[in-house]
Amino acid sequence: GQSLEQPSEVTAVEGAIVQINCTYQTSGFYGLSWYQQHDGGAPTFLSYNGLDGLEETGRFSSFLSRSDSYGYLLLQELQMKDSASYFCAVRGFSNTDKLIFGTGTRLQVFP
Amino acid sequence: DGGITQSPKYLFRKEGQNVTLSCEQNLNHDAMYWYRQDPGQGLRLIYYSQIVNDFQKGDIAEGYSVSREKKESFPLTVTSAQKNPTAFYLCASRRQGAVTEAFFGQGTRLTVV
Repeated sequence: GQSLEQPSEVTAVEGAIVQINCTYQTSGFYGLSWYQQHDGGAPTFLSYNGLDGLEETGRFSSFLSRSDSYGYLLLQELQMKDSASYFCAVRGFSNTDKLIFGTGTRLQVFP
Repeated sequence: DGGITQSPKYLFRKEGQNVTLSCEQNLNHDAMYWYRQDPGQGLRLIYYSQIVNDFQKGDIAEGYSVSREKKESFPLTVTSAQKNPTAFYLCASRRQGAVTEAFFGQGTRLTVV
């Protein structure tokens, strides 16, 4: 089956750097995405890796290594508003639009 | 403004009743999705549709049904066969062929009473 595993919770302080990992047991997908969800809200798109390597978008960076079946989201200069849940996601199995999400990581940022 | 709208925001259902959750988008997206989210959990795929009049089961389709008669609309029916329907339901859409950004509605919180 297809599964994406993430740590359930990560804590950090304001100004710090945190890395959220995503390991997967699947293949044949187009790319790895990351979404942010605040409590009670809708997920919003953060970043996408179609190719192996690092993608940088402001304070957020994302990395993919298909050979290691692994990706991560790196958040720098953490702010209180970054406290949320973060999900990795993959799409495109067997040339379909199937889009599945990881188990999610809850990030708590402390002052 | 373009977007994706789910209604209602909160829904209460008696055991044994079917209920339909609405999802409408005006983004001209081809692909639409339904996810279920339980407290502190990830998003689990119920159904998805790549094109009008076509849809595919996700990982937890049992007890649910969908239709895709119009490009803009992808309603989800939670049937009485779903044994534990209380959850937060999220609808999403995305443009085919695009880098995989999906847009989500604000969700419907369904409670069985």
